[in-house]
Amino acid sequence: EPEVTQTPSHQVTQMGQEVILRCVPISNHLYFYWYRQILGQKVEFLVSFYNNEISEKSEIFDDQFSVERPDGSNFTLKIRSTKLEDSAMYFCASSEYTQETQYFGPGTRLLVL
Amino acid sequence: AQSVTQLDSHVSVSEGTPVLLRCNYSSSYSPSLFWYVQHPNKGLQLLLKYTSAATLVKGINGFEAEFKKSETSFHLTKPSAHMSDAAEYFCVVRMDTGRRALTFGSGTRLQVQP
Repeated sequence: EPEVTQTPSHQVTQMGQEVILRCVPISNHLYFYWYRQILGQKVEFLVSFYNNEISEKSEIFDDQFSVERPDGSNFTLKIRSTKLEDSAMYFCASSEYTQETQYFGPGTRLLVL
Repeated sequence: AQSVTQLDSHVSVSEGTPVLLRCNYSSSYSPSLFWYVQHPNKGLQLLLKYTSAATLVKGINGFEAEFKKSETSFHLTKPSAHMSDAAEYFCVVRMDTGRRALTFGSGTRLQVQP
């Protein structure tokens, strides 16, 4: 069964550093998403991406965040200058169509020191 | 605005007994509702979804949920718990307005005692 994969599974970084989280969505899916879960809090929507552009974003997704589909398979989330409060589990998801089920990856646990 | 409330942060049951995980939602529009499960170190797996067809929805692994509009509830049930059901369960809503963002509940951790 096709799955969404994410790398790395864990990442530790210093405050102020840039990080790139990578995702490989399910191959025939057209819509891609990032969510995050700060420890002890709810899973929160960050951004959705379609046809090489952002289609929807939350107020959390400010200028320090960016997303990209650099090739035909990868989908990345870049945090330009990490803050302590960016420490969270980041989930990638994909769906075939806009209102279809979103399938999630296992997450990347980011720790900012 | 839409929101989801999971009424129990932890539920503990004995193996072989019924499971009930409670979820209430608020949404100004006709919602799509989902239950996802997360096992340790795994991704979020879809259990079942409601998208305005039958109000009783059957999912994987013997789970069911019933959409009750009058009560704004979407409780998850299973007649007989198995040890492998121990996990975190998330109730999720999406408004049927063309928006794609999912709104998650805070999660319910299910423990299954032998």
